[in-house]
Amino acid sequence: GAGVSQSPSNKVTEKGKDVELRCDPISGHTALYWYRQRLGQGLEFLIYFQGNSAPDKSGLPSDRFSAERTGESVSTLTIQRTQQEDSAVYLCASSLRQDANYGYTFGSGTRLTVV
Amino acid sequence: DAKTTQPPSMDCAEGRAANLPCNHSTISGNEYVYWYRQIHSQGPQYIIHGLKNNETNEMASLIITEDRKSSTLILPHATLRDTAVYYCLPGFYGNKLVFGAGTILRVKS
Repeated sequence: GAGVSQSPSNKVTEKGKDVELRCDPISGHTALYWYRQRLGQGLEFLIYFQGNSAPDKSGLPSDRFSAERTGESVSTLTIQRTQQEDSAVYLCASSLRQDANYGYTFGSGTRLTVV
Repeated sequence: DAKTTQPPSMDCAEGRAANLPCNHSTISGNEYVYWYRQIHSQGPQYIIHGLKNNETNEMASLIITEDRKSSTLILPHATLRDTAVYYCLPGFYGNKLVFGAGTILRVKS
């Protein structure tokens, strides 16, 4: 597609449930990033995939968070046993590493509310 | 990663140039300077980036000092739609970008 697509756009879940967030990057983009943004705060890096290299998981806040990416396509971010502090907008971005002109393209995010 | 300092907020009159400063005194020689902005309730949007030379595109101009310790993003004719949080991020191309607090730019009519 023309842009980075994220689904669902909004998700309300009960505390303790697992959730799965999806990101479809721009076709051909080798790099994919997940960020979290709590209400009124800045972007917090979570995880980074680059081609077939091992992902950089240094930003994942706990072992309840995990992410997968199949090749250079779709990525899913899974949050297990959700807590209220997980409520945030989860943003995905992709980039074409060899392209020095456009940087990251972000999706519109998934707004997660844990009640 | 280099640390950045940006003013927390700025106001600009509609139609005037908006000049947003950023200090990145610890930037390393091969780190780029990236600028993004985030309009309310949207994902961040790439604006421009540069290494040493000044850069210009359809959105903005980027002026980088000769010692690379600071830069200025210039929106030549700010409109109300340019009201957003503007982030200055030094980073290695292809590596993850670390977003700071940014500058809230308010364009006023």
